[in-house]
Amino acid sequence: GAGVSQSPRYKVAKRGQDVALRCDPISGHVSLFWYQQALGQGPEFLTYFQNEAQLDKSGLPSDRFFAERPEGSVSTLKIQRTQQEDSAVYLCASSPQYQETQYFGPGTRLLVL
Amino acid sequence: GQQVMQIPQYQHVQEGEDFTTYCNSSTTLSNIQWYKQRPGGHPVFLIQLVKSGEVKKQKRLTFQFGEAKKNSSLHITATQTTDVGTYFCATTPGSNYKLTFGKGTLLTVNP
Repeated sequence: GAGVSQSPRYKVAKRGQDVALRCDPISGHVSLFWYQQALGQGPEFLTYFQNEAQLDKSGLPSDRFFAERPEGSVSTLKIQRTQQEDSAVYLCASSPQYQETQYFGPGTRLLVL
Repeated sequence: GQQVMQIPQYQHVQEGEDFTTYCNSSTTLSNIQWYKQRPGGHPVFLIQLVKSGEVKKQKRLTFQFGEAKKNSSLHITATQTTDVGTYFCATTPGSNYKLTFGKGTLLTVNP
């Protein structure tokens, strides 16, 4: 079946612009995660949803970062007033249930100029 | 929070040589997972180990979890060019869902 999909795959933003990154998890997957991966580093946890509930947002770097999953399927990560340090790959992952294997999407590569 | 350290950071081998990457923690791990990320790609789950001293094999890949559950290794026998990529270890502490990744080992293979 289809895997996790993300769009756009690449995004160039001017400093100060708002961006929205979309994640379509595997159908039926209850858990959804967002990670940030800086160049040459491992992914770092941002936030976690179980269905539509955002149960953990402890990894969001600042209040400029906001995530939602209103109907328990598609999720959007929004970054307001982007800064250069926001440049990274944003990965979405989903899993069938809590604590099960996470399947990663291809990521959105964000470059803030 | 729980951290895992990976060594080496980079490894370049000739095709056919073996490769090993190590993952270490100062605290006991409830589990260790291994992922592979091809250049420009996304992390792909390889395996999870949960038992002390556990050894699992996938074709040319051998995964080990230490007796004290503080370290793990991934060994590739007779590397091929298709093995190129970054290998990450990761863990979810206790009953948590939050994956904590190591910094990864970038493997390059000279044909």
